[in-house]
Parts: sequence; C-alpha cells; structure tokens
Amino acid sequence: DAGITQSPRHKVTETGTPVTLRCHQTENHRYMYWYRQDPGHGLRLIHYSYGVKDTDKGEVSDGYSVSRSKTEDFLLTLESATSSQTSVYFCAISVKLRQETQYFGPGTRLLVL
Amino acid sequence: QKEVEQNSGPLSVPEGAIASLNCTYSDRGSQSFFWYRQYSGKSPELIMFIYSNGDKEDGRFTAQLNKASQYVSLLIRDSQPSDSATYLCAGGNFGNEKLTFGTGTRLTIIP
Repeated sequence: DAGITQSPRHKVTETGTPVTLRCHQTENHRYMYWYRQDPGHGLRLIHYSYGVKDTDKGEVSDGYSVSRSKTEDFLLTLESATSSQTSVYFCAISVKLRQETQYFGPGTRLLVL
Repeated sequence: QKEVEQNSGPLSVPEGAIASLNCTYSDRGSQSFFWYRQYSGKSPELIMFIYSNGDKEDGRFTAQLNKASQYVSLLIRDSQPSDSATYLCAGGNFGNEKLTFGTGTRLTIIP
C-alpha cells in the first residue's frame, strides 16, 4: 500500500459545510496528489504537491484548497461542500523507480447531501 | 488538451483466454505509460509501466507501446476470474510528475 493512509475513509456531510480530508505517508516522498474519481470521468487531478508548502492546481481545482505543512501530510479542504463534490477521493504519492511512478491510498468516499 | 482514451467495455473474456485491453493517447510528447488495475470499491494498483516502443512482459501481463500509432495495450494471458476488474491506462512525460488517466475498461473473465 506504499505506506499511504487516508482519513476519514467515509464521510457524509451537508451542503455548505467545510470538509478536510487527510493523506498521510510514512516514507518521505516528495510528490503527493489528490484525485477524485467519478463514473464516466475516471481519475481527475485536483491538486498536487512537490514539497512542503509547494502546491499546484490540477484540472478540477475549483472549490478545493490544499495544504502541506509537513512532508508526510497533505490535506484537501472543500471550503463549502456542494453535491457535485460527492465522489471518491484518492491520495497518491510518486515513487522514483526507473521514473516517477504513482501509488494510491485506499480512498475516501464523500457524500454531500 | 491531453487525452488518454479507452473503450469503457465491458469486455468479456473466457477463462484461460487472452484478454486484450487498448488505449490511445493524443499527446505525442507522452513518453511513459502505466497500467493500473482497480477492483470494485478499491484503489488503483499498479500493474506495470512501459516507456520504450515494443513489448514488456511481466508474468501473465504484457504491455505493448507503439509511439508512431500513439497506441498502448495490455495483454493478459491465461485469464483468471481474479483478473475481473477495471483497467486504467495513464500517460505522462519524463520530468513531469503528473499523469493523465483514461476512464478505464471494465474486464469480466467468464469461468
């Protein structure tokens, strides 16, 4: 599992509330990613990080913010959750093999009512 | 826009046969390609990657890359019911740590 944990694993929340998802890694990898996965859309990159306090947007970043104050933790915040943000969220880290290779955490199922 | 396209399936293959999964990509700058397997309700897990034209074999799996045709495939020999899953293709560039994923092909192995 590449030493990646996500919390919570399941969450139900109401529209308009803030939500924070946590990704934790144990192996000091530099790159961390947040994806969402929805039927018909596959995996879409929300934000990624290339170091402490270094983050950048992905293709579906609107409505999301991230923070990385420690190498091991990458937080994803939905500032004001909407029903369109109901999804499965995956965190990933990148490991340098012959090249950078991504490995995924177990995922968080989020339902916004 | 960089795209990776896969037939969503479902693709049904008899047990013991060869399953062939295909992927095309639009970005000629893409240099590396990854195949992930995802069981229902689980996270994607890496099967293999390829970045050179030709074939790369790992056990029952063979990845094939044809850069001229912008085509990547995954062959699964001696298909087993445990191979039933969704297979995701992803492409990326050396030095660029972002990947573009296809929407996945659902594979069902029929006993």
